[in-house]
Amino acid sequence: DAGVTQSPTHLIKTRGQHVTLRCSPISGHKSVSWYQQVLGQGPQFIFQYYEKEERGRGNFPDRFSARQFPNYSSELNVNALLLGDSALYLCASSLIARALYGYTFGSGTRLTVV
Amino acid sequence: DQQVKQNSPSLSVQEGRISILNCDYTNSMFDYFLWYKKYPAEGPTFLISISSIKDKNEDGRFTVFLNKSAKHLSLHIVPSQPGDSAVYFCAASARRDDKIIFGKGTRLHILP
Repeated sequence: DAGVTQSPTHLIKTRGQHVTLRCSPISGHKSVSWYQQVLGQGPQFIFQYYEKEERGRGNFPDRFSARQFPNYSSELNVNALLLGDSALYLCASSLIARALYGYTFGSGTRLTVV
Repeated sequence: DQQVKQNSPSLSVQEGRISILNCDYTNSMFDYFLWYKKYPAEGPTFLISISSIKDKNEDGRFTVFLNKSAKHLSLHIVPSQPGDSAVYFCAASARRDDKIIFGKGTRLHILP
């Protein structure tokens, strides 16, 4: 059974550009969360979606947006990229939006902004 | 404001011995505490969790202890094995939003 898949795995963008990152959850999982991990830090919560509804939003600017599709896959969009957006972007999925049972993370998309 | 703190960036332990990873938190509203393990070029892998109403949870070689009065939790790995070498993240979540707040991580080295 496939795990959480993210695409692309690596990406280089220029300041000011826009980027779209994609995530396919484990089959049957209805909750998708996005996290940003910068070097030397733990992952930081960006968004959570459950049953296509936004359930939570972290402390990120409006340049960051996301959505969940009817098949439960998700996209994270970042506009007007800044150098500080360079990070590993992680997607996590779960059957229900309940952290106690653990979320399954993908391997991430490494975004470099130059 | 760091709500989940892992004050040891790294830890080295002899193979076969006990590894103890520590974590402190500041927010008394957390309902769950979790430990994740991360290898390079992979996403974090869920290890074990504990509800705030418990003080201990075991799963094989992994045991998590929670001391609510001290706002402290620890992960014990017994016995430590070479494959345990990784970065370990302590994390916490509140039932009201289920977003996971991670610490900065502790890199565990298991020495032969």
